[in-house]
Amino acid sequence: QVQLVESGGDVVQPGRSLRLSCAAAGFTFSRYGLHWVRQAPGKGLEFVAVISYDGRNEYYADSVKGRFTISRDNSKNTLYLQMNSLRAEDTAVYYCAKGIFGVVVDALDIWGQGTMVTVSS
Amino acid sequence: DIQMTQSPSSLSAPVGDRVTITCRASQGISNYLAWYQQKPGKVPKLLIYAASTLQSGVPSRFSGSGSGTDFTLTISRLQPEDVATYYCQKYNSAPPITFGPGTKVDIK
Repeated sequence: QVQLVESGGDVVQPGRSLRLSCAAAGFTFSRYGLHWVRQAPGKGLEFVAVISYDGRNEYYADSVKGRFTISRDNSKNTLYLQMNSLRAEDTAVYYCAKGIFGVVVDALDIWGQGTMVTVSS
Repeated sequence: DIQMTQSPSSLSAPVGDRVTITCRASQGISNYLAWYQQKPGKVPKLLIYAASTLQSGVPSRFSGSGSGTDFTLTISRLQPEDVATYYCQKYNSAPPITFGPGTKVDIK
């Protein structure tokens, strides 16, 4: 079964760091670009970051550029999001999602269940 | 960056009604447009990609159309299980992908 399972969400203080993980199963992980998308409470969907199938290309939303780093380990079928210098406005459910065609600009056909990140003092 | 807008922001319609949601891109995006359904408390689900291609398993009452800057999502006969927020998303050329603000659909 094709699935993505996020983990690592937590309650953290402003300025602290957190690393999210997304474990994949049921598809050839190394062939697809992967996204992080977040949703603040009661708000819409927001692109966070994307990484190409081979890990050589990364793109970030302006709101997280310089603070967040996306990476992947194709040997472990796992996607990561390292989040540094967290701010209250980073509070959201974070979803990992798989692109339908495998490129970095893509429709997203498989989504994880999401992991909640709360930034609060 | 290309901006996406949606209208209306919310709507309420009786079961069985035809419902149309509009999505507009600030620049032409050809047909690189997807639609998602997010039911309350649930994960977004891909309904349509390439503006009009129905994702596998999606009921045929959902359809999409448009190209360039103007797109529509139509539910031909609204069902109670269609209560959700619907998002459009562009995925043309360079990153980032961009989502519209969403349209909340309720039953009257």
